[in-house]
Amino acid sequence: ELKVEQNPLFLSMQEGKNYTIYCNYSTTSDRLYWYRQDPGKSLESLFVLLSNGAVKQEGRLMASLDTKARLSTLHITAAVHDLSATYFCAVAGTASKLTFGTGTRLQVTL
Amino acid sequence: EAGVAQSPRYKIIEKRQSVAFWCNPISGHATLYWYQQILGQGPKLLIQFQNNGVVDDSQLPKDRFSAERLKGVDSTLKIQPAKLEDSAVYLCASSLVAGPREQYFGPGTRLTVT
Repeated sequence: ELKVEQNPLFLSMQEGKNYTIYCNYSTTSDRLYWYRQDPGKSLESLFVLLSNGAVKQEGRLMASLDTKARLSTLHITAAVHDLSATYFCAVAGTASKLTFGTGTRLQVTL
Repeated sequence: EAGVAQSPRYKIIEKRQSVAFWCNPISGHATLYWYQQILGQGPKLLIQFQNNGVVDDSQLPKDRFSAERLKGVDSTLKIQPAKLEDSAVYLCASSLVAGPREQYFGPGTRLTVT
């Protein structure tokens, strides 16, 4: 059974600081997704990572995938308040079934 | 391009009652998913359809939950009878069969069982 772990579960950071969210998974997969969820809202797709070494960047967020280590990271550069949300990684298993991580609640303070 | 549509957005029912949710996926997306998201947790897949066939329903509590996707487009998810622990947000998502198979989520239905 595919297991996905994220850490930290909660992250409070000051504006302007950098930080990384980690996503570990238990079995081989070639596809990993990052989603953002604002309170009371649905999930918004951020990144799709399809191969070992893949790196995607959008604004202050950068995601990477190491399939050999079964690890993905979401790096936040110079955080701003608008980035406050919960971030989920999701790993594709057989038949494209997604298993989601527990989520990381990010709070960016002034 | 229109997104995934869901209704209703909110529903409050008493335990042992029945409820149904509706989903209309993005046009052309053959794969449709229903997820349950309990407060503070990540979404959990309940059932996955490809066209009108079931691909995975291993985590669907079949004694009370049922889902169908007639004609391979719209889908309904039903709970009968509801329990308190069914209180959650029910999310519908859709994706293409080929390519990165990125899933696009609807706004969800927030169910409260009292």
